[in-house]
Amino acid sequence: AQTVTQSQPEMSVQEAETVTLSCTYDTSESDYYLFWYKQPPSRQMILVIRQEAYKQQNATENRFSVNFQKAAKSFSLKISDSQLGDAAMYFCAYRTSQGGSEKLVFGKGTKLTVNP
Amino acid sequence: DSGVTQTPKHLITATGQRVTLRCSPRSGDLSVYWYQQSLDQGLQFLIQYYNGEERAKGNILERFSAQQFPDLHSELNLSSLELGDSALYFCASSATLGREGLLSSYNEQFFGPGTRLTVL
Repeated sequence: AQTVTQSQPEMSVQEAETVTLSCTYDTSESDYYLFWYKQPPSRQMILVIRQEAYKQQNATENRFSVNFQKAAKSFSLKISDSQLGDAAMYFCAYRTSQGGSEKLVFGKGTKLTVNP
Repeated sequence: DSGVTQTPKHLITATGQRVTLRCSPRSGDLSVYWYQQSLDQGLQFLIQYYNGEERAKGNILERFSAQQFPDLHSELNLSSLELGDSALYFCASSATLGREGLLSSYNEQFFGPGTRLTVL
C-alpha cells in the first residue's frame, strides 16, 4: 500500500520570504500523480499543484512550485513571496494512475504560519 | 466554490444514534468519494462510487455504508455512532473514465465544504 509522510508538523515563515514543505512517499508503482492541497481555517480543501510522475519537469503554479525527485520518492512544495493568505494546513497526497480507484492517500499535514 | 455541496454543515448527535450525510457532486461528475478527517487518523479515504456502483473501498467501518443514487447524489450513513466517529466528513467528485480496461486519466477531485459531525 502506498504511504505519504510529511515530517514537519509545523512550519513558519516571514511574509515575503520563501518556505519549503517536505513530503516523501512510498510506492512500487512507476506511474502516479502527486498533489499538494491547502486547507485554510475554513476547512475547504483546495488543490494547490499537481505533478504527474512520468513528467520530469517540476510543476509550477504562480508562487508555488515543486521539487519532484522520483528516485528519492520526494515531493516538496516551495512557496515563494509568502503571503498572509498562505497560512493553512498543507497536505501532500498520492494517487495511482492505474485503472480502478482514484482515491487520494494523504499525509498527516504541515501547519504553515505566516508572520507579518 | 467547488460546485460540490454537502448537507448538513454541522451535525451533533449522541452515541448509538444513526445519521445520514448527503453530497451532491458537480454537474456532470460521475464519481463521488467520501473522506474522513479526524485529529488522530488524519484524512482517510472511505469509499468511492462511480455512476451508481461501488468502485473502491477504503478504511470504512462496517457500521458505515454509502450509496449513490440515479441522480448521482450520494449519501453516507453512519450508525451505532461512537465518540471516535466525531470528525469532518468530506465528499469529493470527479469525472472518471469507465473501468473497462481504460487507464484513468487525471481527473481532479473537487471537494465539498464538509460536514462536521460531533458525537456526544
